[in-house]
Amino acid sequence: EAGVAQSPRYKIIEKRQSVAFWCNPISGHATLYWYQQILGQGPKLLIQFQNNGVVDDSQLPKDRFSAERLKGVDSTLKIQPAKLEDSAVYLCASSLDSFAGARNEQFFGPGTRLTVL
Amino acid sequence: TQLLEQSPQFLSIQEGENLTVYCNSSSVFSSLQWYRQEPGEGPVLLVTVVTGGEVKKLKRLTFQFGDARKDSSLHITAAQPGDTGLYLCAGEEGNTGKLIFGQGTTLQVKP
Repeated sequence: EAGVAQSPRYKIIEKRQSVAFWCNPISGHATLYWYQQILGQGPKLLIQFQNNGVVDDSQLPKDRFSAERLKGVDSTLKIQPAKLEDSAVYLCASSLDSFAGARNEQFFGPGTRLTVL
Repeated sequence: TQLLEQSPQFLSIQEGENLTVYCNSSSVFSSLQWYRQEPGEGPVLLVTVVTGGEVKKLKRLTFQFGDARKDSSLHITAAQPGDTGLYLCAGEEGNTGKLIFGQGTTLQVKP
């Protein structure tokens, strides 16, 4: 079974530029998550989708970050414009069904490492 | 906002030693998960504990969920260099699938 795919793996941009990340979840997984992991910290949830609807985006900086999951499969996360403090690893994860309780294992992709200069 | 505090943040030990990592919160979680993350990779789930007081064993790893479902511990017996990595605990809010992660414990096991 193929895992969660993310691209690109690395991205270096200058501040005020725009960047987009792509995620392809495991086939059949209804729930998709985007996390931000700053060096030395645990992942922080940015947004959670159930199919193509947003379940939680309370920690998404909506003035500069946006995400979409068209057709309930692939997802893109965009930052526009980027700031220095956005330097982090952006992780995508998927699960069968976020409301399945303890049976809901999240599978993570390898992440995209963003450096903002 | 629910928070999870992990301790210690860094641990460097010799092969064969035992260690315990703690994960504490003032909030109750519906379940608590432990992940291991290697450099350049995403976290990989090790175990999920659901019931207060629950103990689960995975080879040399023992996981415990506190009676009040606010804290957890991970104990590794006879650590090996292959155990090196970042260990993360994560609590689930309600049954929403939303995970709150601790800041992680970086473990280095020297041969």
